[in-house]
Amino acid sequence: EIVLTQSPATVSLSPGDRVTLSCGASQSITSNFLAWYQQKPGLGPRLLIYDASTRATGTPDRFSGWGTGTDFTLTIDGVEPEDFAVYYCQQYGSSPPITFGPGTKVEIK
Amino acid sequence: EVQLLESGGGLVKPGGSLRLSCAASGFIFSRYSMNWVRQVPGKGLEWVSSITSSGTDTYYADSVKGRFTISRDNAQNSLFLQVSNLRAEDTAIFYCARALRGAKGSPIDFWGQGTLVTVSS
Repeated sequence: EIVLTQSPATVSLSPGDRVTLSCGASQSITSNFLAWYQQKPGLGPRLLIYDASTRATGTPDRFSGWGTGTDFTLTIDGVEPEDFAVYYCQQYGSSPPITFGPGTKVEIK
Repeated sequence: EVQLLESGGGLVKPGGSLRLSCAASGFIFSRYSMNWVRQVPGKGLEWVSSITSSGTDTYYADSVKGRFTISRDNAQNSLFLQVSNLRAEDTAIFYCARALRGAKGSPIDFWGQGTLVTVSS
C-alpha cells in the first residue's frame, strides 16, 4: 500500500497569496495517477486535479498540479476567499487500495 | 447535474448492521464504477470499497473485508453498502463517490454529501 504524506499540515494565508502544497509518496506512483481534492466543512470533497496535472471540469486556472514519481505539488496562484478549505492528495495508480494523504488545511491569516 | 444522495446511516450498537444506499441521478449510472469512502468527522479520508460498472468485480479495504459488502442495482440507479459486525472504529461519514474511469486507476470525480454511521453502545 502506498502511503502519502502532505505538508504543511496547516498554512495561514491572505487573499491574493500564492501557495504550494506538497504531497509525497512512499513509492513511485504508477502513471502519475495522483489527484487533489478540496473539502469544505459539511461537504463531500471536490476533485480539482487528476493525473497529477489535469484540471477537472470547472477547476479555476489558478490551481495547478505538478509532479512525478514520489513528489507532487498543488499550487494556488492568487488565493481567493472561497479557497480556504482542506486539501487532500490521493493516489490511484496502485489501486486497490486507493489511498489519501492526511490533508493540508488552508486557513485565513 | 450529477447527484449522489446517500441514506441509511444512524446509530447502531457494536456488532450491529446497517444497509447504506446511494441514489444516483444526472448521469448514466450503469456506465460508471462506484466507490464508498469514509471519513471520521474532523479527520481524513479512507477508501472503503469499489464496484465495477456491471457489478461483476468488487474491491475492499483490508479493514472492512469480510464485514462489508458493496452492491448495485443499475435498473434503480442505486449503490449499496451492507455494513455488518460494526465496531466503534467504523464510526464515520460514508460517502458515495463516482469513479471518473473504471474501478482501477481512476480518480473520483463526484461525491455525495455523506451519511453518518455511529457505532456506540
